Amino acid sequence: GQQLNQSPQSMFIQEGEDVSMNCTSSSIFNTWLWYKQDPGEGPVLLIALYKAGELTSNGRLTAQFGITRKDSFLNISASIPSDVGIYFCAGNNAGNMLTFGGGTRLMVKP
Amino acid sequence: SAVISQKPSRDICQRGTSLTIQCQVDSQVTMMFWYRQQPGQSLTLIATANQGSEATYESGFVIDKFPISRPNLTFSTLTVSNMSPEDSSIYLCSVAQRNTEAFFGQGTRLTVV
Repeated sequence: GQQLNQSPQSMFIQEGEDVSMNCTSSSIFNTWLWYKQDPGEGPVLLIALYKAGELTSNGRLTAQFGITRKDSFLNISASIPSDVGIYFCAGNNAGNMLTFGGGTRLMVKP
Repeated sequence: SAVISQKPSRDICQRGTSLTIQCQVDSQVTMMFWYRQQPGQSLTLIATANQGSEATYESGFVIDKFPISRPNLTFSTLTVSNMSPEDSSIYLCSVAQRNTEAFFGQGTRLTVV
């Protein structure tokens, strides 16, 4: 089946630093989604990307849908302590069934 | 986005017993899904809950172990049957809107002892 490789698996950064994480796939997706999961909660949708090459921002978050449709990245600028959590990429083709990456655990040092 | 409520939020269960998890959505949705998230892992789709017909299960998941009901367009249940410690996970209900975006409930954290 389809696999999403997400990296890095974890990051421990200083408050104020920028963060970058990415996902690559062995096959193409029509939609890329980025989620954040806080402890004890379900994933919350951050950004949805619908077109190859699309660059979308949501506050300090910016995500891009790769031209090949096999990859996507998420950047967080000027990180703050509440950015701590696990970030997941997900790809979607037909039937709304998501394939998830392995997650990036972000830790921010004040 | 849809508001999704799951009950219970957590439970500790004895092995061999069954637990039914409820998922209620504040609006009618066509597609509802159940995911499992094992400790420290990503999310894996268990099944798609279809209104008016049997659920569609992913490879590795079977109806006898994870029976699902979908009586209407706002509600679904997932039962984890004959539980063992390996079933300890977070179980998440999800709905799809705009054909591509999926939203999640807060999850049910299950511990089997």
